[in-house]
Amino acid sequence: AQSVTQLDSHVSVSEGTPVLLRCNYSSSYSPSLFWYVQHPNKGLQLLLKYTSAATLVKGINGFEAEFKKSETSFHLTKPSAHMSDAAEYFCVAYQGGKIIFGKGTRLHILP
Amino acid sequence: GAGVSQSPRYKVAKRGQDVALRCDPISGHVSLFWYQQALGQGPEFLTYFQNEAQLDKSGLPSDRFFAERPEGSVSTLKIQRTQQEDSAVYLCASSPGTSGVYYEQYFGPGTRLTVT
Repeated sequence: AQSVTQLDSHVSVSEGTPVLLRCNYSSSYSPSLFWYVQHPNKGLQLLLKYTSAATLVKGINGFEAEFKKSETSFHLTKPSAHMSDAAEYFCVAYQGGKIIFGKGTRLHILP
Repeated sequence: GAGVSQSPRYKVAKRGQDVALRCDPISGHVSLFWYQQALGQGPEFLTYFQNEAQLDKSGLPSDRFFAERPEGSVSTLKIQRTQQEDSAVYLCASSPGTSGVYYEQYFGPGTRLTVT
């Protein structure tokens, strides 16, 4: 069965240091992949999406993600964390008419 | 401009009561989705509308769950005879495209349902 695994439920980084949020998917062929961010008491917001064009996808707020088919990964990165990045992040896969969310990674930014 | 709105934001229901959750999508958006998000989990797909047509309801957990979008805009998710396991945040999302997820989904803030 198709699944999305976010390898870390919590990640803490210091402000100004790089961010890495990991996501692996299981699928027999390449799905469409997304990252969403959820700030407290706000709706989910799309950060970026991969739909079989360029494997390196740039999103909003300086985030980017690289699709690696050989590793079945779609990790989210940002070179320098900002306090406003503190939120819950969800990796999402769409394939075969099914939408699958990962369990989420809570990103904490240390001053 | 106005985003997706949901009402009520919070709902407490006694077990066995019926509840109705409302979603106002962005005007003109063709696609509408409902999701259920349990505490500490990611959202799980419930159902999908394209205009007034419910094209996919495979995620509805039981026949106590019913969704409608009669005029292709506002949608209502109804849960009959609520059970404690129905406690969750219910998210609504709308999208301008007819291919659903291939277009950005715009999410509402959710309705937190607590069944006591």
